Amino acid sequence: EAGVAQSPRYKIIEKRQSVAFWCNPISGHATLYWYQQILGQGPKLLIQFQNNGVVDDSQLPKDRFSAERLKGVDSTLKIQPAKLEDSAVYLCASSHLGLAGGRRETQYFGPGTRLLVL
Amino acid sequence: AQSVSQHNHHVILSEAASLELGCNYSYGGTVNLFWYVQYPGQHLQLLLKYFSGDPLVKGIKGFEAEFIKSKFSFNLRKPSVQWSDTAEYFCAVNGGNNDMRFGAGTRLTVKP
Repeated sequence: EAGVAQSPRYKIIEKRQSVAFWCNPISGHATLYWYQQILGQGPKLLIQFQNNGVVDDSQLPKDRFSAERLKGVDSTLKIQPAKLEDSAVYLCASSHLGLAGGRRETQYFGPGTRLLVL
Repeated sequence: AQSVSQHNHHVILSEAASLELGCNYSYGGTVNLFWYVQYPGQHLQLLLKYFSGDPLVKGIKGFEAEFIKSKFSFNLRKPSVQWSDTAEYFCAVNGGNNDMRFGAGTRLTVKP
């Protein structure tokens, strides 16, 4: 079974530029998550999709971050404009049922995209 | 909202030593608890999880964790570590609207 795919793996941009990350979850997984992991910290949930609908985006800085999962499969996360403090690893995860499966489900993580904002 | 505290930022052990990594959470309701591991150069993967039943949970590679409800703790243990256990370990709690909260992580270095 293929895992969660993410691209690019690394990205270096200057502040005020825009950047986009792509994620393809495990086939058949209904729920997709985007996390931000700043160096020295644990992952922080940014947004959660159930199929193509947003379940939780309470921690997403909506003035600069946006995300979509139009067909309920792959997803993109965009930052526009980027700030220095956005330097982090952006992780995508998926789970089979999400809310329908309760809170017991394992989330499967991708390799992440490491972003450096100069 | 729930939160997770991992007490040790970096633990250094020799091979065959016993391991215990602390994890405390704050949440008043029913929780589901996880330990994830990230080996060097690899992505996060599940080590073990607890959601009900026997509070002593066994995971992969000889790891286990004990849920102590009265102490809001979910400590990770392994009787004898190996060099290959060198990794970063994250405790996580899922108690709300499927909102997983992670601790800051503990980096484990095992000296051969």
